[in-house]
Amino acid sequence: NAGVMQNPRHLVRRRGQEARLRCSPMKGHSHVYWYRQLPEEGLKFMVYLQKENIIDESGMPKERFSAEFPKEGPSILRIQQVVRGDSAAYFCASSPAGFGTDTQYFGPGTRLTVL
Amino acid sequence: DAKTTQPPSMDCAEGRAANLPCNHSTISGNEYVYWYRQIHSQGPQYIIHGLKNNETNEMASLIITEDRKSSTLILPHATLRDTAVYYCIVRVPLTSGTYKYIFGTGTRLKVLA
Repeated sequence: NAGVMQNPRHLVRRRGQEARLRCSPMKGHSHVYWYRQLPEEGLKFMVYLQKENIIDESGMPKERFSAEFPKEGPSILRIQQVVRGDSAAYFCASSPAGFGTDTQYFGPGTRLTVL
Repeated sequence: DAKTTQPPSMDCAEGRAANLPCNHSTISGNEYVYWYRQIHSQGPQYIIHGLKNNETNEMASLIITEDRKSSTLILPHATLRDTAVYYCIVRVPLTSGTYKYIFGTGTRLKVLA
């Protein structure tokens, strides 16, 4: 009974490159959430997706960031033209289908370092 | 902005109960209180949640005051592995009908040998 999987666990990029972070939800979960955590801070909500739909992206920066959750395969958080300020831990969470059971289960995170 | 306030840090002796308080004075009637913890820099781990009744599971107990403006997470016999940052969360509704979590800075619990 695997939990939420994220890869890579560590990612190093130079300024201007693209970063792609992947998240596979728990089996049976069709809701995915992405959060960002800066050092010594709490997690900040970025985006909520269901299969093939972005439901809420109120926490996403307006530029360079995008997210998708295709019908097949993992959810992808993409950061284009990375800058040093994008260095952070990015966590994905998933929850079961249906609004009555919204407990979110988190993955181990991807630590992005921008040189 | 977080809808909860927690003390920034606490110490607890190993084997003793750890009582972590949380204030959520603006909570509305149908909002749940969730507790998670983050050990070192791992992903947050779900602990427990509740609405108005006290809850207990294999990890912890959650005591919610009658007016629901505060709650306490109790780890009955803290071990060194319970050293972590503990987050008390009140969910914020999204227009989609589901919720997002707003994390504050949490309480850094250190269990001492």
